[in-house]
Amino acid sequence: DVKVTQSSRYLVKRTGEKVFLECVQDMDHENMFWYRQDPGLGLRLIYFSYDVKMKEKGDIPEGYSVSREKKERFSLILESASTNQTSMYLCASSLLAGGPNEQFFGPGTRLTVL
Amino acid sequence: GEDVEQSLFLSVREGDSSVINCTYTDSSSTYLYWYKQEPGAGLQLLTYIFSNMDMKQDQRLTVLLNKKDKHLSLRIADTQTGDSAIYFCAEIAHTGTASKLTFGTGTRLQVTL
Repeated sequence: DVKVTQSSRYLVKRTGEKVFLECVQDMDHENMFWYRQDPGLGLRLIYFSYDVKMKEKGDIPEGYSVSREKKERFSLILESASTNQTSMYLCASSLLAGGPNEQFFGPGTRLTVL
Repeated sequence: GEDVEQSLFLSVREGDSSVINCTYTDSSSTYLYWYKQEPGAGLQLLTYIFSNMDMKQDQRLTVLLNKKDKHLSLRIADTQTGDSAIYFCAEIAHTGTASKLTFGTGTRLQVTL
């Protein structure tokens, strides 16, 4: 079974703090993704990575950065957290190409910025 | 850009059929998807349909695709309380480096007794 794990289920941070969200997958997938989920807005893609050290901006990258030093790990970084970054963050992974490209999701991290 | 739209809420009685609708904009999508999110969990792929198909059936699930109108629907027969969840439709876009999904807003399905 594919397993995508996220470092925390719940996180509370203060405005201005630097926040790290970690995601690990165990199926040797090339692609990894970070989304945020907000009520009424669905999932919005923040960043994705198709290989180690490679990254591309998604639809809402402002205020975020990412790091992929190892194939299995993809980190989302909030350089200076703000209250409008309070959200549910979901990580996903998939194979590089071919077929329906199913994305496998982690359980999510609910981040609250005070 | 891509935009995928769904109604936000649907309530059905246990045993009835549920129909969740979705409209999408990217006519070049090769696959369209339905993901399910149960409370407190991430998304899980429920089913998908290849763009050259009109219909796909999988046990209680029927997916209908109308490419002309860019309309996708998910029918759940004999809806059970365990089907209560948020359902997301998604379309795929192939970039030069990866395949990206664009998700709809999600439809919360409530099943009542």
